[in-house]
Amino acid sequence: GAVVSQHPSWVICKSGTSVKIECRSLDFQATTMFWYRQFPKQSLMLMATSNEGSKATYEQGVEKDKFLINHASLTLSTLTVTSAHPEDSSFYICSAGSYDRTGLHNEQFFGPGTRLTVL
Amino acid sequence: AQSVTQPDIHITVSEGASLELRCNYSYGATPYLFWYVQSPGQGLQLLLKYFSGDTLVQGIKGFEAEFKRSQSSFNLRKPSVHWSDAAEYFCAVGSYNTDKLIFGTGTRLQVFP
Repeated sequence: GAVVSQHPSWVICKSGTSVKIECRSLDFQATTMFWYRQFPKQSLMLMATSNEGSKATYEQGVEKDKFLINHASLTLSTLTVTSAHPEDSSFYICSAGSYDRTGLHNEQFFGPGTRLTVL
Repeated sequence: AQSVTQPDIHITVSEGASLELRCNYSYGATPYLFWYVQSPGQGLQLLLKYFSGDTLVQGIKGFEAEFKRSQSSFNLRKPSVHWSDAAEYFCAVGSYNTDKLIFGTGTRLQVFP
């Protein structure tokens, strides 16, 4: 199956700093990537949908100036948490969408996640 | 409103016992249905998916799920659980005309020897 990687797998930073998380599709081109946030023992909450070459679409309640998403190529999307605070500590997971020949959505392939801890 | 309900937050079974994890959905369009498994600190792995056709779907690791439109359910089953199946299981729903997935709240499975 398709492989999606994330880097770093974990990061600890000081409050007020910015952190960048990379999501890469290793063996396929992903026109659409998704960023999720997962709190301990809870489900995944979609933060934003990222399409290559265009602005990300954020879900209601997600601050786009806080969580900057860039999808510069068909294999790379980045999430930057700006001026991070302790409440931003969470597990961030990306996924990449695949589509069949007719262009219809098929499934998402998930990265292993990034654990962010803000001190 | 579109939603996915996993009624069981936590299930404990003995190794070798059968397993059924429940999933109910509310979705306006024809649903695509998925089951994912997540080990602690890891991303999600797809167990199986249903798009159309045969309503009994076979997945990896010996799992299967049955789509029942009349009950809006997509329950996950395994005839004999292994200790390595202990993990968090998520049901999700999507559609052919949307990229978004809606996830259930998850069911944590514990397996005792």
